[in-house]
Order: sequence, then structure tokens, then C-alpha cells
Amino acid sequence: DADVTQTPRNRITKTGKRIMLECSQTKGHDRMYWYRQDPGLGLRLIYYSFDVKDINKGEISDGYSVSRQAQAKFSLSLESAIPNQTALYFCATSDTLAESYNEQFFGPGTRLTVL
Amino acid sequence: KNQVEQSPQSLIILEGKNCTLQCNYTVSPFSNLRWYKQDTGRGPVSLTIMTFSENTKSNGRYTATLDADTKQSSLHITASQLSDSASYICVVRETSGTYKYIFGTGTRLKVLA
Repeated sequence: DADVTQTPRNRITKTGKRIMLECSQTKGHDRMYWYRQDPGLGLRLIYYSFDVKDINKGEISDGYSVSRQAQAKFSLSLESAIPNQTALYFCATSDTLAESYNEQFFGPGTRLTVL
Repeated sequence: KNQVEQSPQSLIILEGKNCTLQCNYTVSPFSNLRWYKQDTGRGPVSLTIMTFSENTKSNGRYTATLDADTKQSSLHITASQLSDSASYICVVRETSGTYKYIFGTGTRLKVLA
């Protein structure tokens, strides 16, 4: 977990507020991902990036945006937070090499509550 | 739709006992199947990974099996410890299109003293 860090770890905000979640990694990986986890559901992909300035939508990108200005940083923004965005958010990284295995390494998570 | 289903949803066992968790998937074709352990409030950590050509992989007391014909995988935990209490997530990686990772909903295991 120490190789992939997320800030903040916990955040409570109000409906309509803009929120940014930050992810940093020291693994030197090209690929970074943002997931959300809800009770009873598997992790769902919000956005992913295979390189700096490369941005791709995941299965649940509506209401979110991301920025990849540097290889080591990938930020997730909620432009106008709503209560159903209350969830546990995870950042992950993976390496382009060893394609057949391509392990993902996850950060510790950010617990976001939207009131 | 590609899916990964895990059973049981939750499981309680006594310390020292063995248990087996199941994962059925419909993802095809797939690159690899991975089992993660997720402690409460933490990010998932990889336990084992198998490509489609492998049928077993061990990591200490954890042994994963894969039957690509029936599209089933299992994770067997031997001599359980209190620290094994966690959620165990099965993840299948597609090889078509975007190489997506398809996550199961997990099995929540509680080991009692």
C-alpha cells in the first residue's frame, strides 16, 4: 500500500460541492485506475489512464472527471457531488510489462460521504 | 455480459479449520484470474494469479485452482488464522477489447477463536 497513496483518506462533504481525490504512486507504473466500491458490489472502474495525458472512460464515468498531468499522479474530481457518490474509492496502478500477469496494486482507499 | 460470481457471500469458521471459496465466471476469452485479499478499510492485495493455461497456484496457506473448461476457480485456505478474516475477491482479466478487469463481489470470511 505504501507505494500507492491516496489523499484524503476520509472526506465528508455536502451535495453540490466540488471534490478532488488525489492518487500518487512511486512504483513507476504507466497505468493508473480509479475504482469505486459499494457494499454488495464488485469494484467498478470509473476512469483509467495508460500514460500521461491519456484518459479513458470506465463503466461508470458519469459525474466524474480525471486528470493525469504526471506519470506518478492521477486525480479524480467530482464536479458537483451527490449522495449516491458516497462510496469507497480506490486508485490502482499496473505495469505495461509482463502483460500476461499485469498485476494491479491498490492504494488504501478514500472513504467519501456526500450528505 | 461478462460476469464474475462468488460464493458464499459470507462464511464463519473456527481458527485452525480449512475452507474453500468459489468463483464462477463467464468472461471469455480471458488473460488471467487473480484472487485478492481485502482487509476492512484497506485496498485489495494480490494473493495468487493464474493464466488460462495454469490450473493451480499456491501462496503459503492459500491455494487457488482454475478449471478453464468449466470456468470455475476456488481458493482454499488451510489451517485458518484470525488474520485471515477479510474479504476475498476474484478478478478476471479480459483479453478482448480494452483488457478490462472484472471484479467479483467477494466472500467475507470471519475466523473465530
